[in-house]
Amino acid sequence: EPEVTQTPSHQVTQMGQEVILRCVPISNHLYFYWYRQILGQKVEFLVSFYNNEISEKSEIFDDQFSVERPDGSNFTLKIRSTKLEDSAMYFCASRGTSGRGTQYFGPGTRLLVL
Amino acid sequence: AQRVTQPEKLLSVFKGAPVELKCNYSYSGSPELFWYVQYSRQRLQLLLRHISRESIKGFTADLNKGETSFHLKKPFAQEEDSAMYYCALSGEAAGNKLTFGGGTRVLVKP
Repeated sequence: EPEVTQTPSHQVTQMGQEVILRCVPISNHLYFYWYRQILGQKVEFLVSFYNNEISEKSEIFDDQFSVERPDGSNFTLKIRSTKLEDSAMYFCASRGTSGRGTQYFGPGTRLLVL
Repeated sequence: AQRVTQPEKLLSVFKGAPVELKCNYSYSGSPELFWYVQYSRQRLQLLLRHISRESIKGFTADLNKGETSFHLKKPFAQEEDSAMYYCALSGEAAGNKLTFGGGTRVLVKP
């Protein structure tokens, strides 16, 4: 059964550094999402992406964040200048074309900003 | 605004006992409701969608629009049901983002 994959599984970075989190969605899916979960808190929506553009973003998704689908298979989340409060688990998800359908999640990347 | 509330952070039951996880939501339009489960060290995976009206692993959930609830139930809990359970809502906006509740940890004791 196809799955969403994410790399790396863990990343440690210094405050102010740029990080890129990578996701490979399920191959025939067209809708892509990033969520994050700060330790002990809810899973929060960051951004949704369809047809090579952002369809919705949350207040969290400020100018420090960007998303890209550079090559038709990968879907990346970039944080330009990380802050301590960006430490969280970041989940990628993808969805097929039918209606509001099920979102399928990757295993997550645990980001620690020191 | 979309909101999902799971009032119980932890539910501890004995094997064979019934278990009910509460979920209440707030949304002004026509939502789609989901239950996702996360077993230890695994990814979030779909357990149920309200529109499919299935029973998965013995779990059922009924959408009650009057009470804005989508409680998850299982009559006889098993040890392998121990996991984190998240209720989630998808609205009608183009991106169809999921709004999650805070999650309920279920511990099934032998």
